[in-house]
Amino acid sequence: DSGVTQTPKHLITATGQRVTLRCSPRSGDLSVYWYQQSLDQGLQFLIQYYNGEERAKGNILERFSAQQFPDLHSELNLSSLELGDSALYFCASSVAGLAGNEQFFGPGTRLTVL
Amino acid sequence: EDQVTQSPEALRLQEGESSSLNCSYTVSGLRGLFWYRQDPGKGPEFLFTLYSAGEEKEKERLKATLTKKESFLHITAPKPEDSATYLCAVLNQAGTALIFGKGTTLSVSS
Repeated sequence: DSGVTQTPKHLITATGQRVTLRCSPRSGDLSVYWYQQSLDQGLQFLIQYYNGEERAKGNILERFSAQQFPDLHSELNLSSLELGDSALYFCASSVAGLAGNEQFFGPGTRLTVL
Repeated sequence: EDQVTQSPEALRLQEGESSSLNCSYTVSGLRGLFWYRQDPGKGPEFLFTLYSAGEEKEKERLKATLTKKESFLHITAPKPEDSATYLCAVLNQAGTALIFGKGTTLSVSS
């Protein structure tokens, strides 16, 4: 158990809908990273927050957004969902703000868009 | 463009049959190369970080090595519990994100 929690574990929704994925980092970790994992693309970095502020952005679509709250939990919002958004979404956390720090991954949220 | 390629995609071994997984990378000024293990239905778990050519790190039956163009994950006398997908990643040129390869899925049978 990495200490990172993600909810929900599974999410099934329809095209055009909006969903919110939640992540709680390990106690004491200030950074939260979001990743998308699909069979064809592998694990891809979406966005990082550090102590409430956006720190780095990867290949995140404009339909996706994230935020980190004062208690350091983070939410990833996915809107206008398309079939291709079906994937595993992982959250990771690290103590400091550098992407090269050891990252601890949560168990993931499996999103299915029908 | 920063890129990571892993081979083979899948590897089947008998228990005790040693082998190596390859990770070749393209990034200007390597800031770190990372190995993670991912079990089915779970998030990746950190194994090693390597920073410079010639560096080696070991953990139980696993040893990671690094050259200027690639890294190898050597598995010595594997056991069935070593079955997993092994992911390699590099820190991008800007140092802001990990770039992952697609992984090698290892199956070890007894």
